Amino acid sequence: DTAVSQTPKYLVTQMGNDKSIKCEQNLGHDTMYWYKQDSKKFLKIMFSYNNKELIINETVPNRFSPKSPDKAHLNLHINSLELGDSAVYFCASSPVGGAWDTQYFGPGTRLTVL
Amino acid sequence: DQQVKQNSPSLSVQEGRISILNCDYTNSMFDYFLWYKKYPAEGPTFLISISSIKDKNEDGRFTVFLNKSAKHLSLHIVPSQPGDSAVYFCAASGKGGGNKLTFGTGTQLKVEL
Repeated sequence: DTAVSQTPKYLVTQMGNDKSIKCEQNLGHDTMYWYKQDSKKFLKIMFSYNNKELIINETVPNRFSPKSPDKAHLNLHINSLELGDSAVYFCASSPVGGAWDTQYFGPGTRLTVL
Repeated sequence: DQQVKQNSPSLSVQEGRISILNCDYTNSMFDYFLWYKKYPAEGPTFLISISSIKDKNEDGRFTVFLNKSAKHLSLHIVPSQPGDSAVYFCAASGKGGGNKLTFGTGTQLKVEL
């Protein structure tokens, strides 16, 4: 029974397209995150939501828009995809914000923009 | 600005020996440090953490050492096992664990038979 799940696992698309990545956690956690791991292996936080409310919004282009319909879901919408958006995107959750040692990650979504 | 650095992209050790993974940080406001382990096609999983009020934390085969004056931490795995082969990420946060988590670029550990 997967704690944090992401769909799709792989996403290949053309530049300029709009795509979404879905994330769901069944742990009852209040806080969810999106991270990006780029080609240089840097794993960097993009957004943090606490109970559907945006808490952290790093310097991410506004083409990226997270949406949290309820506290168990945090989806990532990306408009007008660019080559530089190619990366692995990880969703994560924790019981409360900043509880890093109880943060669970999803398996990642590898996005390739052609 | 890379505030958490893992300068060794890879490390190879023999089964049963000690693995030592290193991490350096530049931000003196960091006060909570963690190690995550990542297998291929999976997300990182929490391994062990240490607060800046301590200089050592141990959990079974895993020990993390913190040297605040040198802004350096290390993860010791002893004895190393083949199942320990994974990418290990060092991470740090400030203000008692709140705010955001800053990751290093990871070290690929390979434990050979």
